[in-house]
Amino acid sequence: DAMVIQNPRYQVTQFGKPVTLSCSQTLNHNVMYWYQQKSSQAPKLLFHYYDKDFNNEADTPDNFQSRRPNTSFCFLDIRSPGLGDAAMYLCATSRPAVDTQYFGPGTRLTVL
Amino acid sequence: DQQVKQNSPSLSVQEGRISILNCDYTNSMFDYFLWYKKYPAEGPTFLISISSIKDKNEDGRFTVFLNKSAKHLSLHIVPSQPGDSAVYFCAASLPGTYKYIFGTGTRLKVLA
Repeated sequence: DAMVIQNPRYQVTQFGKPVTLSCSQTLNHNVMYWYQQKSSQAPKLLFHYYDKDFNNEADTPDNFQSRRPNTSFCFLDIRSPGLGDAAMYLCATSRPAVDTQYFGPGTRLTVL
Repeated sequence: DQQVKQNSPSLSVQEGRISILNCDYTNSMFDYFLWYKKYPAEGPTFLISISSIKDKNEDGRFTVFLNKSAKHLSLHIVPSQPGDSAVYFCAASLPGTYKYIFGTGTRLKVLA
C-alpha cells in the first residue's frame, strides 16, 4: 500500500543533543510537510516543500531545519533540542492542488 | 491567534445517535475545509472535505455543513458507532496555498 512512513516512532534525546527525524513516502507526492503537535493543541505547521522548494513558516524557530534529498524522503533536524521541543512530529504529503494531506503515524520526541 | 477553533474538547454520544462536531474560523478567505480523524498512535486520516462554494457535502454516514456567514462548519455522524471514537480535527486552507490550519481537535467517545 502506498503510504507515509516515519522513523523512528519514538525518539528520546538529551537536552541540546541534535536529533533527526525521518519521513518517507511512496505516494510520489510533490508536497511534503512537517507539523509539530503538542498535547491537546492543534498540529502546527513548521515548514513544507513543494518539490525542492522549501517554505518555512515565519514563527518556526531557527533550531528546526529540514532536508529533502529526493521526492521520497524528508528529514527534520533539531539542532539543539530544548525541553519545549518535546512533542509529536507529524509528516504529511499532498499533491500540489486543493486536496487532502496524507499523514504518517508521527514520531513522539522526548527530551530529557 | 487561532484562526480555526474547535471549542469542545470532548463529546460523548450513545451508539446509534447523531454526533455533531463543530468548528469555527475567523478568516473569511479560507476556501477549502477538511475533517480528519485520528486514532491513538496513528496519524490523522482524511474523512471528508467541503469547498467554500458549497454548503453541504455528504459521504455515507458523514455529512459536513458549511455556514459561511457564520464562519462555522459542522460534521454530522449518523448513526454513530463505537469505532468512530477518535479525535476529530477540522482544517482550513487559503486559496493558492498548500497549507492547512488545524483546529485543536474534539475527542469523540461513542458509548455502546
